Amino acid sequence: QVQVMESGGGVVQPGGSLRLSCAASGFTFANYGMHWVRQAPGKGLQWVAYVRFDGGNKYHADSVKGRFTISRDNTKNTLYLQMNSLRDEDTAIYYCARQGGDYYGSWYFDLWGRGTLVTVSS
Amino acid sequence: QSALTQPASVSGSPGQSITISCTGTSNDIGHYNYVSWYQQHPGKAPKLIIYEVTNRPSGVSDRFSGSKSGNTASLTISGLQAEDEADYYCASYTISSVGFGGGTKLTVL
Repeated sequence: QVQVMESGGGVVQPGGSLRLSCAASGFTFANYGMHWVRQAPGKGLQWVAYVRFDGGNKYHADSVKGRFTISRDNTKNTLYLQMNSLRDEDTAIYYCARQGGDYYGSWYFDLWGRGTLVTVSS
Repeated sequence: QSALTQPASVSGSPGQSITISCTGTSNDIGHYNYVSWYQQHPGKAPKLIIYEVTNRPSGVSDRFSGSKSGNTASLTISGLQAEDEADYYCASYTISSVGFGGGTKLTVL
């Protein structure tokens, strides 16, 4: 079954850190670019970060640049998001999403996980 | 603040057609054919329904169609059904990032 599944969410204090994971199965993970997209409670979708299929290129949204880092381990079929210096406004469901099309692919998200909730609160 | 502008809500009766607009700039929608649309039911993950402006993934009903003119993309849903009631988001590539619209809540009357 082709799927991605996030984990690692939880409650963290402002200024704290958290690492999210996304386990992929049912497809050749190493052939696909991957993204993180988040959704604050009751709000819309916001793109967070992208990593190329081989880890060679990484992009981050301005709102998280310098605080969050996307990475991947193709030997473990796993995507990561290291989140440091967390703020109240980072509270959201974080979704892992696969880039449409393999290798250099295209800019859309064709497979989504169920998400993991991150709550930043004192 | 969303990168792309969508109406907050639209509504229609079963069997009717509705169109949701998504307005960007010459740096995103107007420059790239990387517009996509997502459907999200409450408590669920988003689902891709249109990619690269006009393409439908396998398994998505042909009642969903996409188009683009200048800096504005549109999603049209024909033959509205009760299960179409959901939030809809547009997205577009821009340099080294992706912008989403604020979302449109579709109500089927």
